[in-house]
Amino acid sequence: RKEVEQDPGPFNVPEGATVAFNCTYSNSASQSFFWYRQDCRKEPKLLMSVYSSGNEDGRFTAQLNRASQYISLLIRDSKLSDSATYLCVVLRGVYNNNDMRFGAGTRLTVKP
Amino acid sequence: EAGVVQSPRYKIIEKKQPVAFWCNPISGHNTLYWYLQNLGQGPELLIRYENEEAVDDSQLPKDRFSAERLKGVDSTLKIQPAELGDSAVYLCASSRSGTGSTEAFFGQGTRLTVV
Repeated sequence: RKEVEQDPGPFNVPEGATVAFNCTYSNSASQSFFWYRQDCRKEPKLLMSVYSSGNEDGRFTAQLNRASQYISLLIRDSKLSDSATYLCVVLRGVYNNNDMRFGAGTRLTVKP
Repeated sequence: EAGVVQSPRYKIIEKKQPVAFWCNPISGHNTLYWYLQNLGQGPELLIRYENEEAVDDSQLPKDRFSAERLKGVDSTLKIQPAELGDSAVYLCASSRSGTGSTEAFFGQGTRLTVV
């Protein structure tokens, strides 16, 4: 079993749709959580961090459930430009220990 | 501020040949990662450095892969000899540990094709 598992996708949605991605992690000692975005043939870039209380950035909402070891990303009012692969990232360890593990990614295509 | 710089961007080699990749992290970033990414998969960690020390190389295939980060700045990853299955994108990333900010910045990667 992989340490970080995501919905395999792909997700094909129309513009304006709401779409949610799920991610689970197996290492209960994991400390920090992120969603990265990766465009086709480009490098991953940080989309947003995920906080225990849940956090929102415009149309994007991230949530964390430590008890269930589950992370989610919700995208509202999808835009064509949201088409990309979304990577769930877990940071093991404590302060000063930047051990980052990635999920396989969920591919999203937003269609007109 | 310059980002993470990797070279070369593309490399095509014959199997059994050696190959080397170079990475220059963002200035001041003490953590450096090498990841391997296959098509349709997420990045998989090969090795992580904290300054010049390799703190996690458990997933580095040491029979053919080697890495170094002299002086705790730039780094090279080498494969010798390359195999067909090594064809992938090799990503370098860096982050600043110890400041509460753990965002990792990636280079554009080196796309390796072994024929």
